[in-house]
Amino acid sequence: DQQVKQNSPSLSVQEGRISILNCDYTNSMFDYFLWYKKYPAEGPTFLISISSIKDKNEDGRFTVFLNKSAKHLSLHIVPSQPGDSAVYFCAASGVTTSGTYKYIFGTGTRLKVLA
Amino acid sequence: GAVVSQHPSWVICKSGTSVKIECRSLDFQATTMFWYRQFPKQSLMLMATSNEGSKATYEQGVEKDKFLINHASLTLSTLTVTSAHPEDSSFYICSARDKAAKFLHEQFFGPGTRLTVL
Repeated sequence: DQQVKQNSPSLSVQEGRISILNCDYTNSMFDYFLWYKKYPAEGPTFLISISSIKDKNEDGRFTVFLNKSAKHLSLHIVPSQPGDSAVYFCAASGVTTSGTYKYIFGTGTRLKVLA
Repeated sequence: GAVVSQHPSWVICKSGTSVKIECRSLDFQATTMFWYRQFPKQSLMLMATSNEGSKATYEQGVEKDKFLINHASLTLSTLTVTSAHPEDSSFYICSARDKAAKFLHEQFFGPGTRLTVL
């Protein structure tokens, strides 16, 4: 049962345009959502996050939107740059019965920004 | 800062042997480390959470006797795949949470280890 889904395995965008990466989740108990960026042969690096009590968080060119009623979040990159080409993972955080946090990842979306 | 290394980056072994993978936080102390497994075109699946000085917490369906995790210090966690079989072939990746981090949910990932069992 995939609790966090990224239905688009890949996305191509022209340089300078907006990139929109989507993520859907099923568990309403998730309290934090994170986006990670991954280059080949490297581990994912943290990009931006959003608490479940907010609907938007912005950091430079990156903005994450959360729609709790739709259980949907999206990452907007404006303007897109060739260096943004990578695989993007969304992840959701929830508290376990033992009180610790665990993270559920989506399958990733490969973004290609065309020069 | 906040670098996590994994060793080895790639290992090939025969079926039935055991393989140890190391995860080190190079410039910070990690009270919590996570071990993930990733199959091709699939998501990172959390295998276990390890806290320094205590037993690891395994996710449902992960055999703790097969995947031995030791977090003996604040900078090192090891994952040992015991009696490896071809179906254990996968990409194993660790992450670490900085003890001094202000943001609770930030975790730093290692580059991963590709295990191939023949």
